[in-house]
Amino acid sequence: AQRVTQPEKLLSVFKGAPVELKCNYSYSGSPELFWYVQYSRQRLQLLLRHISRESIKGFTADLNKGETSFHLKKPFAQEEDSAMYYCALSGEDSNYQLIWGAGTKLIIKP
Amino acid sequence: DGGITQSPKYLFRKEGQNVTLSCEQNLNHDAMYWYRQDPGQGLRLIYYSQIVNDFQKGDIAEGYSVSREKKESFPLTVTSAQKNPTAFYLCASSIGAGWGTEAFFGQGTRLTVV
Repeated sequence: AQRVTQPEKLLSVFKGAPVELKCNYSYSGSPELFWYVQYSRQRLQLLLRHISRESIKGFTADLNKGETSFHLKKPFAQEEDSAMYYCALSGEDSNYQLIWGAGTKLIIKP
Repeated sequence: DGGITQSPKYLFRKEGQNVTLSCEQNLNHDAMYWYRQDPGQGLRLIYYSQIVNDFQKGDIAEGYSVSREKKESFPLTVTSAQKNPTAFYLCASSIGAGWGTEAFFGQGTRLTVV
């Protein structure tokens, strides 16, 4: 079954500390993985995708096919990173529809 | 200003009434989607459309209906058959359905059944 699991509903870290938001997936083929972010009072928007292999706002995510994970990391958290983060996957098996995790609320404490 | 517009932002409905949520996009995207967002459950797909005059059921289509008569518009009707309609509804669009396509979202409509 195709599934995305974000084990933490809430993650709270201090400003300047490293952040890691976990995402594990279950998929039979080769999926594309995404991280979307929803800041307070803003629309849900794409943060990054694994095929781009880029860093956005200091965040990176590496696709680990062996562990079926796509964790989102940032070495030094900033207060403006506080938001709701969703991991999602897409692929041929899902007819390219996005399958979403339940989301992790990230709170950066000053 | 390009993007996706959902209206209204807040909507109240009495039990037993149908209500229609509007979604318009001027991004010239072929694909459009409706999601329901409930706390702790992520986004669940209600309906999607990959082309005008065609749409497909998502995971939770029961109690909902859609139409796609124009490329830029994809209204969602929440019918009285939907058992638990109070939720936050998100509309999205993408260039198409395929590898690497990014979804663009509206601001959402919060529907409350009273």
